[in-house]
Amino acid sequence: DAGVTQSPTHLIKTRGQQVTLRCSPISGHKSVSWYQQVLGQGPQFIFQYYEKEERGRGNFPDRFSARQFPNYSSELNVNALLLGDSALYLCASSLGGGSAREQYFGPGTRLTVT
Amino acid sequence: GQQLNQSPQSMFIQEGEDVSMNCTSSSIFNTWLWYKQDPGEGPVLLIALYKAGELTSNGRLTAQFGITRKDSFLNISASIPSDVGIYFCAGQLPGSNYKLTFGKGTLLTVNP
Repeated sequence: DAGVTQSPTHLIKTRGQQVTLRCSPISGHKSVSWYQQVLGQGPQFIFQYYEKEERGRGNFPDRFSARQFPNYSSELNVNALLLGDSALYLCASSLGGGSAREQYFGPGTRLTVT
Repeated sequence: GQQLNQSPQSMFIQEGEDVSMNCTSSSIFNTWLWYKQDPGEGPVLLIALYKAGELTSNGRLTAQFGITRKDSFLNISASIPSDVGIYFCAGQLPGSNYKLTFGKGTLLTVNP
């Protein structure tokens, strides 16, 4: 079975631009979470979605938004990009039910803001 | 935000040696997970722990959920070169069942 897939793999944007990152969860998984990982740190929680509803939000500004589609795939949007938004953005899927247990990560999207 | 203190930050060992790393927190966690991340990749789940005192193995890996629910350790026995990578602990806080809190990672280097 395919694992979590993310696109694009790499992205270079300029300050002030907007970006959309995409994620497809493992087949049968209904929950998607987004994490930001800056170099040298562990992943930081941004959002979790389950059955198209936002279940939780981390300590990130309103420039960050996300949504989940009926097929359980998800998009993460970041507006007005700052240099500090440069990071690896990870998507994780889990069976759902509101539990964070056993989250499986995709390969990530490497975002560079110049 | 909530911090997990993961140690050591890095380890350099010889092939065949055993390795131990741990995570501690001032808060109680409901779940502990251990992940391994290779350069340019996403974290890969190694072991999940759900109960205080639980000891779980996955091949050469063994992890335990601390009795106090505030700590966990991961042991790797008879290390091999492909064990190289960054190991992360992650926990789920009570009442926060939608997210994982990660430690800063332990960088493991294995000398053949």
